[in-house]
Amino acid sequence: IAGITQAPTSQILAAGRRMTLRCTQDMRHNAMYWYRQDLGLGLRLIHYSNTAGTTGKGEVPDGYSVSRANTDDFPLTLASAVPSQTSVYFCASSDSGGADTQYFGPGTRLTVL
Amino acid sequence: GQNIDQPTEMTATEGAIVQINCTYQTSGFNGLFWYQQHAGEAPTFLSYNVLDGLEEKGRFSSFLSRSKGYSYLLLKELQMKDSASYLCAVVSNDYKLSFGAGTTVTVRA
Repeated sequence: IAGITQAPTSQILAAGRRMTLRCTQDMRHNAMYWYRQDLGLGLRLIHYSNTAGTTGKGEVPDGYSVSRANTDDFPLTLASAVPSQTSVYFCASSDSGGADTQYFGPGTRLTVL
Repeated sequence: GQNIDQPTEMTATEGAIVQINCTYQTSGFNGLFWYQQHAGEAPTFLSYNVLDGLEEKGRFSSFLSRSKGYSYLLLKELQMKDSASYLCAVVSNDYKLSFGAGTTVTVRA
C-alpha cells in the first residue's frame, strides 16, 4: 500500500520558472490538501479539494494553483516561482472534507533561487 | 484568524514523562488533532479529541478542555525514538485544520 506519493522529492528552481508538484493517493480518499511548512510557522493550508472536480483556497493561496481532474491526483502549480515560495510542501488526503484524519505524503523540498 | 500556541522546545530524560500543552482560539471547533513529525519526514497521526476528557492510547494520552481552549499530549516512558516534533491542529468551523508551530521534544539518555 503506497498511501500518498509526491514528486519530486526535492527541487532547486530559478525564480520566474513554472513548476508543478505532483501528488497521488491510492486510498480512494475524497478530500486532498496542499500545505507548506516553514520553520517557526507550522503547516499552512494552500489549497484543498473536497471531491474530484472541486477546489478551494486555503490560508496562503497566492501564487499557487491546483486542479483535481480525478480522485487520485492533486497537482500543485507555481506559475512563476519566487524565493518566498522556498519551503517544504506536503500533500495530504482524508476520507472526507470533514474532521477525518488527514494522511500526509513524504513532502517535496523546494528551493527557489 | 486562528491562534494556536504550543511551546517551541522541550527536553526530557529517557523513561520520564513529558506534557506538551496547546492552547487555541479559533473560529469554531470541530476537534483537535495531535501529529508526530520526525525530522525530514511527514506528520503522522497520533490522536483526535472532540469531547472533553482524556483519551489514552498506549504510552500516549491526549486531553481536551473545550471551555478552556486547551489540550495536552502526555508522553509516558519516554524512548529515544520519541524525539520528534509534535503538532497540535484544530478543526475549525469550515472543517479545515489550523496547525500550531509544533513542539520539538528531545529525549536524552
